[in-house]
Amino acid sequence: AAGVIQSPRHLIKEKRETATLKCYPIPRHDTVYWYQQGPGQDPQFLISFYEKMQSDKGSIPDRFSAQQFSDYHSELNMSSLELGDSALYFCASSTWPWGLEKLFFGSGTQLSVL
Amino acid sequence: DAKTTQPNSMESNEEEPVHLPCNHSTISGTDYIHWYRQLPSQGPEYVIHGLTSNVNNRMASLAIAEDRKSSTLILHRATLRDAAVYYCILRDNAGNTPLVFGKGTRLSVIA
Repeated sequence: AAGVIQSPRHLIKEKRETATLKCYPIPRHDTVYWYQQGPGQDPQFLISFYEKMQSDKGSIPDRFSAQQFSDYHSELNMSSLELGDSALYFCASSTWPWGLEKLFFGSGTQLSVL
Repeated sequence: DAKTTQPNSMESNEEEPVHLPCNHSTISGTDYIHWYRQLPSQGPEYVIHGLTSNVNNRMASLAIAEDRKSSTLILHRATLRDAAVYYCILRDNAGNTPLVFGKGTRLSVIA
């Protein structure tokens, strides 16, 4: 079965550079969630989209922005990167409104800021 | 936000049952109890969820206290591949709300 696809798997950037992470949800899933997991930390919710509209906002820095496109894939744009942005970024997808659906997570993008 | 409390870590022998507890004394009537796990270097993975009644699936069982203030995830026969961090999460049944991860339980399985 198709899973959530994230690209790239690994990304190395310098401080103050920009990065774009991509997420391709499971087919027919219309909701995408972004999470950040620092080393030794638990996943922290950043932002989510339903039907291309932002649905919830968590602890996403102002330097980050995200959007969901017409094909439901999503991109997380990160600017003015800081060392503290080094983390594993997960994307998850689900479908609505068929009850309380579970989230399916991708394998993540490991971002290293040097 | 409704909160959950889990032990930081637990240890189990391989092929023995494991009971992972979760306390959620402030749970509201519309909160579902979800369990996810995160294996090393992987994204979180859904395990099971329930509202009031005990639930079983191919991965685990979920036992929910009658007053819903606590629940227990049961792995019937732990394997080495079950070593992971297990998260107990409350999620409103409005759906589409994000999962908010707290501090989970790190399960170690000993061969």
